[in-house]
Amino acid sequence: EVHLLESGGGLAQPGGSLRLSCAASGFTFSTYAMSWVRQAPGKGLEWVSAVSGSGSKTYYADSVKGRFTISRDNSKNTLYLQMNSLGVDDTAVFHCAREGVGGHGPHVDYWGQGILVTVSS
Amino acid sequence: QSVLTQPPSVSGAPGQRVTISCTGSSSNIGAGYDVHWYQQLPGTAPKLLIYSNNNRPSGVPDRFSGYKSGTSASLAITELQAEDEADYYCQSYDSRVQWVFGGGTVLTVL
Repeated sequence: EVHLLESGGGLAQPGGSLRLSCAASGFTFSTYAMSWVRQAPGKGLEWVSAVSGSGSKTYYADSVKGRFTISRDNSKNTLYLQMNSLGVDDTAVFHCAREGVGGHGPHVDYWGQGILVTVSS
Repeated sequence: QSVLTQPPSVSGAPGQRVTISCTGSSSNIGAGYDVHWYQQLPGTAPKLLIYSNNNRPSGVPDRFSGYKSGTSASLAITELQAEDEADYYCQSYDSRVQWVFGGGTVLTVL
């Protein structure tokens, strides 16, 4: 069974940093692209970033480009999101997501429960 | 404002059929990118409901179906049940901004 467990969230000050982790199990981690998707309180879903299975290719939403860095350690079956220069608009639940295969365009086939990141002074 | 447009809310009585629309443009749905649908029950993580326009993952009832045409897509739910009350999101890919989601639709079962 696929399982994704996020950690590392919490309270950060504006301008501060946080590093999220996502421990994956139940599948061959290195063969799947992974993403982070966030949801601000009471709002909809917003894709944040994606990384290829090997980790060699990374992609970012314009809203986080230059501030966030996605990475993965396939030996530890773990996905990361380093978040710098945080702003209040980054307050959200961050979901770790496995990308499904096939079709024309990416999608999520499994979601983690999510971890809350609150940016406030 | 979301790149994909969904109605904020829809409602229906138990046993009825409801549809949720998802309108995009020539840079996403109209460019041939697949549309996917997610269901988010209150207080839980989203769950994949329909992938690649009209495919159901294992375990999703056949009461749920997807359709895509031109720059739009729709999700149909037949034989509406109380447990279907949730938020529904469409998602595709855009050649300019990459992944895009609809703003979400709240389904209320009357």
